[in-house]
Amino acid sequence: DGGITQSPKYLFRKEGQNVTLSCEQNLNHDAMYWYRQDPGQGLRLIYYSQIVNDFQKGDIAEGYSVSREKKESFPLTVTSAQKNPTAFYLCASSIRTDTGELFFGEGSRLTVL
Amino acid sequence: QKEVEQNSGPLSVPEGAIASLNCTYSDRGSQSFFWYRQYSGKSPELIMFIYSNGDKEDGRFTAQLNKASQYVSLLIRDSQPSDSATYLCAVISPWGKLIFGQGTELSVKP
Repeated sequence: DGGITQSPKYLFRKEGQNVTLSCEQNLNHDAMYWYRQDPGQGLRLIYYSQIVNDFQKGDIAEGYSVSREKKESFPLTVTSAQKNPTAFYLCASSIRTDTGELFFGEGSRLTVL
Repeated sequence: QKEVEQNSGPLSVPEGAIASLNCTYSDRGSQSFFWYRQYSGKSPELIMFIYSNGDKEDGRFTAQLNKASQYVSLLIRDSQPSDSATYLCAVISPWGKLIFGQGTELSVKP
Protein backbone atom coordinates (compact mmCIF):
# COMPACT_ATOMS: atom_id res chain seq x y z
CA ASP A 1 0.00 0.00 0.00
CA GLY A 2 1.61 3.23 -1.16
CA GLY A 3 1.19 6.35 0.88
CA ILE A 4 2.52 8.85 3.36
CA THR A 5 2.80 8.11 7.04
CA GLN A 6 2.99 10.86 9.62
CA SER A 7 3.66 10.33 13.29
CA PRO A 8 2.66 11.01 15.92
CA LYS A 9 -0.96 11.85 15.14
CA TYR A 10 -1.33 13.87 18.35
CA LEU A 11 1.47 15.45 20.33
CA PHE A 12 1.46 17.55 23.48
CA ARG A 13 4.54 19.44 24.53
CA LYS A 14 5.51 22.05 27.05
CA GLU A 15 6.47 25.51 25.89
CA GLY A 16 10.17 25.78 25.10
CA GLN A 17 10.65 22.17 24.03
CA ASN A 18 11.70 21.14 20.54
CA VAL A 19 9.56 18.48 18.88
CA THR A 20 10.15 16.42 15.76
CA LEU A 21 7.36 15.25 13.49
CA SER A 22 8.02 12.25 11.29
CA CYS A 23 7.01 11.91 7.64
CA GLU A 24 7.73 8.83 5.54
CA GLN A 25 6.53 8.08 1.99
CA ASN A 26 6.79 4.98 -0.17
CA LEU A 27 5.41 6.56 -3.35
CA ASN A 28 8.89 7.08 -4.79
CA HIS A 29 8.15 10.80 -5.05
CA ASP A 30 11.02 13.25 -5.41
CA ALA A 31 9.26 16.23 -3.83
CA MET A 32 8.11 16.52 -0.24
CA TYR A 33 6.46 19.35 1.67
CA TRP A 34 5.46 20.49 5.12
CA TYR A 35 2.38 22.65 5.57
CA ARG A 36 0.81 24.22 8.61
CA GLN A 37 -2.94 24.70 8.95
CA ASP A 38 -4.62 26.87 11.55
CA PRO A 39 -8.41 26.88 12.16
CA GLY A 40 -10.32 28.56 9.34
CA GLN A 41 -7.21 29.06 7.27
CA GLY A 42 -5.73 27.45 4.23
CA LEU A 43 -2.40 25.70 4.03
CA ARG A 44 0.80 27.63 4.58
CA LEU A 45 4.06 26.20 3.29
CA ILE A 46 6.83 25.74 5.85
CA TYR A 47 9.55 23.90 3.89
CA TYR A 48 9.81 21.83 0.75
CA SER A 49 12.39 19.54 -0.77
CA GLN A 50 12.84 18.70 -4.43
CA ILE A 51 15.55 16.10 -3.98
CA VAL A 52 17.59 14.32 -1.34
CA ASN A 53 19.97 16.56 0.64
CA ASP A 54 18.26 19.71 -0.62
CA PHE A 55 15.40 21.73 0.84
CA GLN A 56 14.01 25.25 0.56
CA LYS A 57 12.21 27.59 2.93
CA GLY A 58 8.56 28.20 2.35
CA ASP A 59 6.48 31.16 3.48
CA ILE A 60 6.67 30.54 7.24
CA ALA A 61 9.99 28.76 7.86
CA GLU A 62 11.02 30.73 10.96
CA GLY A 63 11.17 28.50 14.03
CA TYR A 64 11.20 25.27 12.01
CA SER A 65 13.94 23.01 10.62
CA VAL A 66 13.96 20.00 8.31
CA SER A 67 16.31 17.42 6.84
CA ARG A 68 16.14 15.20 3.76
CA GLU A 69 18.78 12.51 4.16
CA LYS A 70 16.70 9.85 2.44
CA LYS A 71 14.21 10.10 -0.41
CA GLU A 72 11.51 8.51 1.74
CA SER A 73 11.87 10.70 4.81
CA PHE A 74 11.34 14.40 5.53
CA PRO A 75 11.15 15.08 9.29
CA LEU A 76 10.14 18.48 10.64
CA THR A 77 11.46 19.91 13.90
CA VAL A 78 9.40 22.58 15.60
CA THR A 79 11.88 24.52 17.67
CA SER A 80 11.38 26.63 20.76
CA ALA A 81 11.88 29.69 18.53
CA GLN A 82 8.49 29.11 16.91
CA LYS A 83 6.23 31.63 18.66
CA ASN A 84 2.90 29.93 18.16
CA PRO A 85 3.49 26.24 17.37
CA THR A 86 0.04 24.86 18.21
CA ALA A 87 -1.37 23.81 14.83
CA PHE A 88 -2.22 20.96 12.47
CA TYR A 89 0.88 19.93 10.50
CA LEU A 90 0.56 18.23 7.14
CA CYS A 91 3.25 16.45 5.19
CA ALA A 92 2.77 15.94 1.46
CA SER A 93 4.63 14.55 -1.51
CA SER A 94 4.45 14.81 -5.28
CA ILE A 95 6.28 13.46 -8.29
CA ARG A 96 7.94 16.85 -8.77
CA THR A 97 7.60 20.38 -7.38
CA ASP A 98 5.92 22.03 -10.38
CA THR A 99 2.71 20.07 -9.95
CA GLY A 100 -0.29 20.75 -7.76
CA GLU A 101 -1.09 17.05 -7.47
CA LEU A 102 -0.07 16.49 -3.88
CA PHE A 103 -0.61 13.43 -1.73
CA PHE A 104 -1.03 14.21 1.95
CA GLY A 105 -0.34 12.27 5.11
CA GLU A 106 -2.98 12.10 7.85
CA GLY A 107 -1.48 15.04 9.71
CA SER A 108 0.00 15.65 13.14
CA ARG A 109 -1.83 17.83 15.63
CA LEU A 110 0.62 19.59 17.94
CA THR A 111 -0.57 21.28 21.11
CA VAL A 112 1.86 23.30 23.18
CA LEU A 113 0.77 23.68 26.77
CA GLN B 1 -5.52 41.30 -2.31
CA LYS B 2 -5.02 37.61 -1.56
CA GLU B 3 -3.46 35.56 -4.32
CA VAL B 4 -6.22 32.93 -4.14
CA GLU B 5 -9.58 33.89 -2.64
CA GLN B 6 -12.50 31.78 -1.61
CA ASN B 7 -15.65 32.58 0.30
CA SER B 8 -15.11 30.86 3.65
CA GLY B 9 -18.80 30.04 4.00
CA PRO B 10 -20.35 28.00 5.39
CA LEU B 11 -22.29 27.28 2.23
CA SER B 12 -25.41 25.34 3.05
CA VAL B 13 -27.36 23.42 0.40
CA PRO B 14 -30.16 20.85 0.65
CA GLU B 15 -29.50 17.25 -0.30
CA GLY B 16 -29.90 16.71 -4.04
CA ALA B 17 -29.16 20.34 -4.95
CA ILE B 18 -26.20 21.70 -6.90
CA ALA B 19 -23.42 23.16 -4.76
CA SER B 20 -21.36 25.87 -6.43
CA LEU B 21 -17.96 26.71 -4.99
CA ASN B 22 -16.00 29.63 -6.36
CA CYS B 23 -12.38 30.71 -6.36
CA THR B 24 -10.64 33.76 -7.81
CA TYR B 25 -6.93 34.25 -8.33
CA SER B 26 -4.83 37.33 -8.82
CA ASP B 27 -1.99 36.21 -11.12
CA ARG B 28 -3.19 36.26 -14.71
CA GLY B 29 -0.44 33.92 -15.90
CA SER B 30 -1.48 31.06 -13.62
CA GLN B 31 -1.82 27.83 -15.58
CA SER B 32 -2.95 24.97 -13.35
CA PHE B 33 -5.88 24.78 -10.95
CA PHE B 34 -6.81 22.22 -8.35
CA TRP B 35 -9.66 21.39 -5.98
CA TYR B 36 -8.99 19.54 -2.74
CA ARG B 37 -11.61 18.20 -0.34
CA GLN B 38 -10.86 18.17 3.37
CA TYR B 39 -13.15 16.46 5.86
CA SER B 40 -13.12 17.86 9.38
CA GLY B 41 -9.99 16.78 11.22
CA LYS B 42 -8.59 15.00 8.18
CA SER B 43 -6.04 15.82 5.52
CA PRO B 44 -6.85 17.24 2.07
CA GLU B 45 -7.34 14.95 -0.92
CA LEU B 46 -7.20 16.00 -4.55
CA ILE B 47 -10.56 15.62 -6.29
CA MET B 48 -10.24 17.66 -9.50
CA PHE B 49 -7.71 19.53 -11.57
CA ILE B 50 -8.17 21.66 -14.66
CA TYR B 51 -5.66 23.25 -16.98
CA SER B 52 -7.72 24.59 -19.91
CA ASN B 53 -10.57 27.05 -20.18
CA GLY B 54 -13.98 25.47 -20.05
CA ASP B 55 -15.53 22.61 -18.13
CA LYS B 56 -14.14 19.32 -16.94
CA GLU B 57 -16.52 16.70 -15.61
CA ASP B 58 -15.84 13.75 -13.35
CA GLY B 59 -18.92 11.99 -12.06
CA ARG B 60 -20.97 14.44 -9.99
CA PHE B 61 -18.15 16.99 -10.02
CA THR B 62 -17.53 19.65 -12.67
CA ALA B 63 -14.62 22.06 -12.59
CA GLN B 64 -15.01 25.27 -14.59
CA LEU B 65 -12.15 27.57 -15.55
CA ASN B 66 -12.37 31.08 -16.97
CA LYS B 67 -8.88 32.51 -17.35
CA ALA B 68 -10.10 35.84 -18.75
CA SER B 69 -12.10 36.47 -15.58
CA GLN B 70 -9.55 34.72 -13.37
CA TYR B 71 -11.93 32.39 -11.63
CA VAL B 72 -12.30 28.69 -11.22
CA SER B 73 -15.34 26.97 -9.80
CA LEU B 74 -16.41 23.54 -8.63
CA LEU B 75 -19.97 22.32 -9.11
CA ILE B 76 -21.24 19.34 -7.18
CA ARG B 77 -24.45 17.90 -8.62
CA ASP B 78 -26.92 15.87 -6.56
CA SER B 79 -25.16 16.95 -3.37
CA GLN B 80 -25.03 14.36 -0.60
CA PRO B 81 -24.45 14.77 3.15
CA SER B 82 -21.16 12.94 2.59
CA ASP B 83 -20.04 15.90 0.47
CA SER B 84 -20.03 18.08 3.60
CA ALA B 85 -16.41 19.18 3.93
CA THR B 86 -14.11 22.12 3.33
CA TYR B 87 -13.09 22.57 -0.29
CA LEU B 88 -9.68 24.10 -0.95
CA CYS B 89 -8.84 25.79 -4.23
CA ALA B 90 -5.16 25.73 -5.23
CA VAL B 91 -3.41 27.51 -8.07
CA ILE B 92 0.08 27.22 -9.52
CA SER B 93 1.37 30.76 -10.00
CA PRO B 94 3.32 31.83 -13.09
CA TRP B 95 6.57 31.23 -11.21
CA GLY B 96 5.64 27.70 -10.20
CA LYS B 97 4.42 28.21 -6.64
CA LEU B 98 1.37 26.28 -5.44
CA ILE B 99 -0.91 28.63 -3.53
CA PHE B 100 -3.95 27.51 -1.52
CA GLY B 101 -7.07 29.49 -0.79
CA GLN B 102 -8.48 29.48 2.73
CA GLY B 103 -11.20 27.02 1.80
CA THR B 104 -15.00 27.05 1.62
CA GLU B 105 -16.95 25.00 4.13
CA LEU B 106 -19.85 23.15 2.51
CA SER B 107 -22.74 21.73 4.51
CA VAL B 108 -25.28 19.49 2.77
CA LYS B 109 -28.48 19.16 4.80
CA PRO B 110 -30.56 15.96 4.54
